Amino acid sequence: EVQVVESGGGLVQPGGSLRLSCAASGFTFSTYWMNWVRQAPGKGLEWVANIKQDGSEIKYVDSVKGRFTISSDNAKNSLYLQMNSLRAEDTAIYYCSVAGVSSSTLYIYWGQGTLVTVSS
Amino acid sequence: EIVLTQSPGTLSLSPGERATLSCRASQSVTGNYLAWYQQKPGQAPRLLMYGASSRATGIPDRFSGSGSGTDFTLTIGRLEPEDFAVYYCQDYGTSPYTFGQGTKLEIK
Repeated sequence: EVQVVESGGGLVQPGGSLRLSCAASGFTFSTYWMNWVRQAPGKGLEWVANIKQDGSEIKYVDSVKGRFTISSDNAKNSLYLQMNSLRAEDTAIYYCSVAGVSSSTLYIYWGQGTLVTVSS
Repeated sequence: EIVLTQSPGTLSLSPGERATLSCRASQSVTGNYLAWYQQKPGQAPRLLMYGASSRATGIPDRFSGSGSGTDFTLTIGRLEPEDFAVYYCQDYGTSPYTFGQGTKLEIK
């Protein structure tokens, strides 16, 4: 069974930093991408960043470039998001997902999310 | 950046009826890499369709997707009570991998 579990959310002041973690297990893709997607309270989904499992490809949405850094530890199947210079508009549930292809079928597994609140 | 516009914003239907949800892209979606998700309150999104028309594993065949280029449709053939939720489309072909704003499917 695939499990994806996020941690590290919490309350932080504007301008502060927070590091999110995601532990994924139970999948056997040879190639996969890990993503961060966020959802502000009562709003829609926003893709934030992703990384290919070997670290060769990293992409960000413009609104977080220069402030957020995505990284991964292949040995631990773990994903991280270092968030600096946080703003009120970064307040959201942050979801981790794992996307891979097996036998020409796309699979995307999601965690239950971790809440980040940026407020003074 | 590709902008995805979903319509309608809210769709009110009864169980047993057919639902048609639209997703229009501001420019052609590379390789028809268009996905649909279902999200229920307090839950993570669930992948329904990928490649515009391929059903994800475990998704009932009352769900179907169609379209190419800039116009895509998710059809739910006969609504079950558990289908009432918010639905999102996503372009996963070109970064940033934007989502549409969502369509809320509610019980009439």
